[in-house]
Amino acid sequence: DTGVSQDPRHKITKRGQNVTFRCDPISEHNRLYWYRQTLGQGPEFLTYFQNEAQLEKSRLLSDRFSAERPKGSFSTLEIQRTEQGDSAMYLCASSPQSLGEKLFFGSGTQLSVL
Amino acid sequence: KQEVTQIPAALSVPEGENLVLNCSFTDSAIYNLQWFRQDPGKGLTSLLLIQSSQREQTSGRLNASLDKSSGRSTLYIAASQPGDSATYLCAVRDSGGSNYKLTFGKGTLLTVNP
Repeated sequence: DTGVSQDPRHKITKRGQNVTFRCDPISEHNRLYWYRQTLGQGPEFLTYFQNEAQLEKSRLLSDRFSAERPKGSFSTLEIQRTEQGDSAMYLCASSPQSLGEKLFFGSGTQLSVL
Repeated sequence: KQEVTQIPAALSVPEGENLVLNCSFTDSAIYNLQWFRQDPGKGLTSLLLIQSSQREQTSGRLNASLDKSSGRSTLYIAASQPGDSATYLCAVRDSGGSNYKLTFGKGTLLTVNP
């Protein structure tokens, strides 16, 4: 399977715990994005990497959120001290270098904070 | 700030009917526009990508048009099938400084009844 892979598919955690999600993009794609989607809404941009460099972070990404993409390959998104408002689908997408190319999304990680 | 609106929010049609989904955006300075399909609890699948210089794109029973000056796009689905039931999302990539991200609408939930 050469698509975007996300792990885990589902995560249930208690408020205050830390969680980490992983995204493996399509291998030849150097752009990687994280989005968050809540029920009945479209995805909202969180952050963007070009190779290993994190070039932009949304204001939605509080200090409790951190994302990395070591060596420009897979990426991780960590949420510290989770809150109930963090419950959402976290989507990863990748694309080639050109802005004219499509974004390819993974299946997402559904986070539930109890 | 770019805003994307999709009308209607939900649509239910009998199998075989042709249908049109609408998308409007507030800032016409876009790089491209992309239509996605999302099945319940799943990630997004790219359907069609229209560059700002293009008027339409076609793939099978799907046709997407773009009128950049008026800030509108339509997705036309011919001879709808129950398997087309999903949420359809429209997203624009701005041509300005925020061209690394997509801005999404809330989607249209389509139900095709057998």
